[in-house]
Amino acid sequence: GESVGLHLPTLSVQEGDNSIINCAYSNSASDYFIWYKQESGKGPQFIIDIRSNMDKRQGQRVTVLLNKTVKHLSLQIAATQPGDSAVYFCAENRPSGGSYIPTFGRGTSLIVHP
Amino acid sequence: EPEVTQTPSHQVTQMGQEVILRCVPISNHLYFYWYRQILGQKVEFLVSFYNNEISEKSEIFDDQFSVERPDGSNFTLKIRSTKLEDSAMYFCASSGGRGQNQPQHFGDGTRLSIL
Repeated sequence: GESVGLHLPTLSVQEGDNSIINCAYSNSASDYFIWYKQESGKGPQFIIDIRSNMDKRQGQRVTVLLNKTVKHLSLQIAATQPGDSAVYFCAENRPSGGSYIPTFGRGTSLIVHP
Repeated sequence: EPEVTQTPSHQVTQMGQEVILRCVPISNHLYFYWYRQILGQKVEFLVSFYNNEISEKSEIFDDQFSVERPDGSNFTLKIRSTKLEDSAMYFCASSGGRGQNQPQHFGDGTRLSIL
């Protein structure tokens, strides 16, 4: 079936460490992926996106890697800070009849310990 | 920075009653979306809306749901006869372009509690 899923529901790291959050997808036709951050009581906040014609994209302290061969993407956060504590969702725009349906994974809770 | 705003932040309604959730998307955006997030679960797509009509909808978006853009700024989700299982966070989102290659900007949601 078509799905976007996450390997780990919770990730605990020490402040200053690098964090890696993983995501698997199964729809090989998906060609646009987004990472969102959701803090408690807030809506998802866009972090970074990547198209399938790329395998890496960097932002400020964040990097997204896309491996189309194994249908896997990851979000790397450098020098993780307490303010990075949140739930992180990967999402894909799944093709549907000429349009796209955004499909979210279940989310990984990142806990940063000071 | 422009943002999507949603009202109310919390809505408590009796089962069987109608409820309208309101959203003001970012002013120059053209595509609008509603999502649902049941507590502790993933964000689920409900419907997308463009040019005054529904573009896509999920299986969740059945006949009890409807959307409307009554004027140039508001975008509403109506649930006609609420059920207990409609209790969830409802998020509105908007984007400047059609789905592909266009991240969506989300509001902070309306918590809907059905009693």
